[in-house]
Amino acid sequence: NAGVTQTPKFQVLKTGQSMTLQCAQDMNHEYMSWYRQDPGMGLRLIHYSVGAGITDQGEVPNGYNVSRSTTEDFPLRLLSAAPSQTSVYFCASTKTAGGHEQYFGPGTRLTVT
Amino acid sequence: AQRVTQPEKLLSVFKGAPVELKCNYSYSGSPELFWYVQYSRQRLQLLLRHISRESIKGFTADLNKGETSFHLKKPFAQEEDSAMYYCALSRYNQGGKLIFGQGTELSVKP
Repeated sequence: NAGVTQTPKFQVLKTGQSMTLQCAQDMNHEYMSWYRQDPGMGLRLIHYSVGAGITDQGEVPNGYNVSRSTTEDFPLRLLSAAPSQTSVYFCASTKTAGGHEQYFGPGTRLTVT
Repeated sequence: AQRVTQPEKLLSVFKGAPVELKCNYSYSGSPELFWYVQYSRQRLQLLLRHISRESIKGFTADLNKGETSFHLKKPFAQEEDSAMYYCALSRYNQGGKLIFGQGTELSVKP
């Protein structure tokens, strides 16, 4: 199993550009989530999904959209990139919403200039 | 408000010394507490969780509801313990929705 995969690993965007960060898992996990990691702030939940077709907002959802058309994939879309979105983005999955261990992807380092 | 606080940004110890990484939380209800670790160039991974009451790589953590703390301890630090450590909490049985602390970087010197 590849576990949780993310693409791209690195990305540089200009202010106002849009892009999609890809996340996929091959463990048949119901629950997937996106976090951003910023220095001194730990990881903060952006959006999460408890199953295909169901998504909800986390702590810092503004400027991001998600969808969950399949169990495997959970892309994160930046609609109009801003410098404040410069961060490292992690996708994670867990077997169920009540699962006790999250499996994280390797992260995407995004810089917005 | 739900919050996790790790007061130390950086903790530096010598090999063989005891280690305690502090974690305090505020939560109304019955939380589940976790410690996640991120070694250099590796993914964030679960180290331990309070409900299992286990010792992983020599680390233990006890949930103290009176002091709302979940400190991570190891009696003798090893160089390979150097990493970023995150304390996190979730609502009971919602381990997929985590609230993280700011993280503590542990540096173990030879």
